[in-house]
Amino acid sequence: DAKTTQPPSMDCAEGRAANLPCNHSTISGNEYVYWYRQIHSQGPQYIIHGLKNNETNEMASLIITEDRKSSTLILPHATLRDTAVYYCIVRSDSSYKLIFGSGTRLLVRP
Amino acid sequence: GAGVSQSPRYKVAKRGQDVALRCDPISGHVSLFWYQQALGQGPEFLTYFQNEAQLDKSGLPSDRFFAERPEGSVSTLKIQRTQQEDSAVYLCASSFPRDSITYEQYFGPGTRLTVT
Repeated sequence: DAKTTQPPSMDCAEGRAANLPCNHSTISGNEYVYWYRQIHSQGPQYIIHGLKNNETNEMASLIITEDRKSSTLILPHATLRDTAVYYCIVRSDSSYKLIFGSGTRLLVRP
Repeated sequence: GAGVSQSPRYKVAKRGQDVALRCDPISGHVSLFWYQQALGQGPEFLTYFQNEAQLDKSGLPSDRFFAERPEGSVSTLKIQRTQQEDSAVYLCASSFPRDSITYEQYFGPGTRLTVT
């Protein structure tokens, strides 16, 4: 599975959009981009995933560039409860394990 | 509904002791995973079960680590002769059989193991 690169930390104001970037320049055609987050003292939680089209669900939006070498997770109206470590993971459909990097620590400020 | 549960939530062991960590996956989930998370790091894969079969144990750090899932539901991760470097959070995750579109793993809260 391709390696991902994320900034170690970010912050945003409560109520504003949080845009979390991820680089995955070596992604292959059959590899998906997944996002998980981990709130303090909890296990990771699935957020969203995509292959090449932009995706949106009740939690977030995922924007994948046309060349698929990078993506952005968007939390449209961040709340204090969104403070967590966010992991961008690239995984092929034939791979069952998740390979986590160090993630981005997002701090939502009141 | 009930999620993945793990017990105990916290475990303190003296170096050299054996420990057993339990995972109760979501009912009906075929796949079960164990991950190890050191302080400040992302989780690292340890082992994978499909029903009672352990299909991948490549991430187990040493032969002191042993996992089982004898009836295809509850799983136990056992660590023999614990060492200080075993101190970590041990996460269990379960999922439905994978299809070609989605493969979401549901994680438990983890067991924090401290070896003194």
